[in-house]
Amino acid sequence: QQQVKQSPQSLIVQKGGIPIINCAYENTAFDYFPWYQQFPGKGPALLIAIRPDVSEKKEGRFTISFNKSAKQFSLHIMDSQPGDSATYFCAASMNSGGYQKVTFGTGTKLQVIP
Amino acid sequence: DAGITQSPRHKVTETGTPVTLRCHQTENHRYMYWYRQDPGHGLRLIHYSYGVKDTDKGEVSDGYSVSRSKTEDFLLTLESATSSQTSVYFCAISEAPNQPQHFGDGTRLSIL
Repeated sequence: QQQVKQSPQSLIVQKGGIPIINCAYENTAFDYFPWYQQFPGKGPALLIAIRPDVSEKKEGRFTISFNKSAKQFSLHIMDSQPGDSATYFCAASMNSGGYQKVTFGTGTKLQVIP
Repeated sequence: DAGITQSPRHKVTETGTPVTLRCHQTENHRYMYWYRQDPGHGLRLIHYSYGVKDTDKGEVSDGYSVSRSKTEDFLLTLESATSSQTSVYFCAISEAPNQPQHFGDGTRLSIL
């Protein structure tokens, strides 16, 4: 069962634009929401994360907006650069039987055009 | 980058053969995970380990087994590989259950 829905599947923006990637979840037991960035041939790398008691978190050019009541969260990339071209995965996690169960979205392939 | 090394990085093999993938970490983290990544599915957990000789199943564990005899090594074995197991396999580690997971660079496995 897909518990984290991510959209869009792909996204093309021009340099300086603000791409927005959206995710929605179903299980209210999730208590940690990380975003991962993945370049071709590499593993996913933790980019930024948020917990549900916070509505927004900024780290550099990356911002997570979180809407607990709507069970939605999104990633905004300010002043996007060609080097940001990558696949982005949202995720939701919760402690399940002593380990961190992480459910991933299906990914968004971002292309930033110079 | 977290000290995670996966080997081999690429492998092509035939249906019915056994395959073992290795994950080696230098971070001394207690938790280790094996995921597979397929288009349209994101990453899905195969097995995880919460200590030496302590392992458990994830959501897609059928056809896979794991072993962890040392803190630093976590092995994933496909006893009799099938074409449906063609995928990219990622190892991840975390210090504790509520800490972020950090990923290796993956093994691309093709089963013909």
